[in-house]
Amino acid sequence: ELKVEQNPLFLSMQEGKNYTIYCNYSTTSDRLYWYRQDPGKSLESLFVLLSNGAVKQEGRLMASLDTKARLSTLHITAAVHDLSATYFCAVDKDDSGTYKYIFGTGTRLKVLA
Amino acid sequence: SQTIHQWPATLVQPVGSPLSLECTVEGTSNPNLYWYRQAAGRGLQLLFYSVGIGQISSEVPQNLSASRPQDRQFILSSKKLLLSDSGFYLCAWIDRFNTEAFFGQGTRLTVV
Repeated sequence: ELKVEQNPLFLSMQEGKNYTIYCNYSTTSDRLYWYRQDPGKSLESLFVLLSNGAVKQEGRLMASLDTKARLSTLHITAAVHDLSATYFCAVDKDDSGTYKYIFGTGTRLKVLA
Repeated sequence: SQTIHQWPATLVQPVGSPLSLECTVEGTSNPNLYWYRQAAGRGLQLLFYSVGIGQISSEVPQNLSASRPQDRQFILSSKKLLLSDSGFYLCAWIDRFNTEAFFGQGTRLTVV
C-alpha cells in the first residue's frame, strides 16, 4: 500500500528557531513536491524536486530529496510568523508505477512570536 | 498562461440532495485532472483522476462520481449527498510531463 508520511504532524516553534519536516514515501517515484496551505485556502506550490540529490531554496525554506532513502526534507531556517501554515509533500507515482498525485499527511506548523 | 477555475466556492446542501461541482482549465490541452477531498484539519484524499476525455479512475468507493465530458472540464457529482461528504473539495491539473500540480480555489461543501 502506498504511504506518504510526514513527521511531525504538528509543529509549534518559536520565531528564530530552525526545524526540519520529514517526508517518507514508499513508492519508486523519483520526484517529490512540496506545497503550502493556509487555513481555508487552496494549495500553493513551493518546490518541485525532480531527481535524486535535488536541493531547492526559497527564502527561509529549503527542500531536498534522497530517492534512495525515499526521503525528502523541508528545512526551516530562523522561522517567522508568516511561515505558519500546513505543509504537504506529494509524490506522482504509486507502487505500480501508475501516475497519480498522492499527498502526505501534512504538517501543521505554528510559529510563535 | 494556464488557469484553473473551480466553482462554486461554498455550498450548503441538505442530506439526500444532488451535487455537481465543476472544474475547467484554460491555456493547456490534454491535462491530467484530479479531484481531492480534504476533511477539516486533515490531509488530501484523492477521489478521482482522469488522463483524458471519458477516462475516469476512481480511488475510493463512495457515492460520488466524476465525469470528463470535454478535454478541459472535470465534474464531480453525487445523486444523494451524505453528511460524511462534507469537506473541502479541490480540483487540480497536472501537465503531461507530471511536474507540479495547480489547484483551483476549492469548494467548501457542508451537508446538513
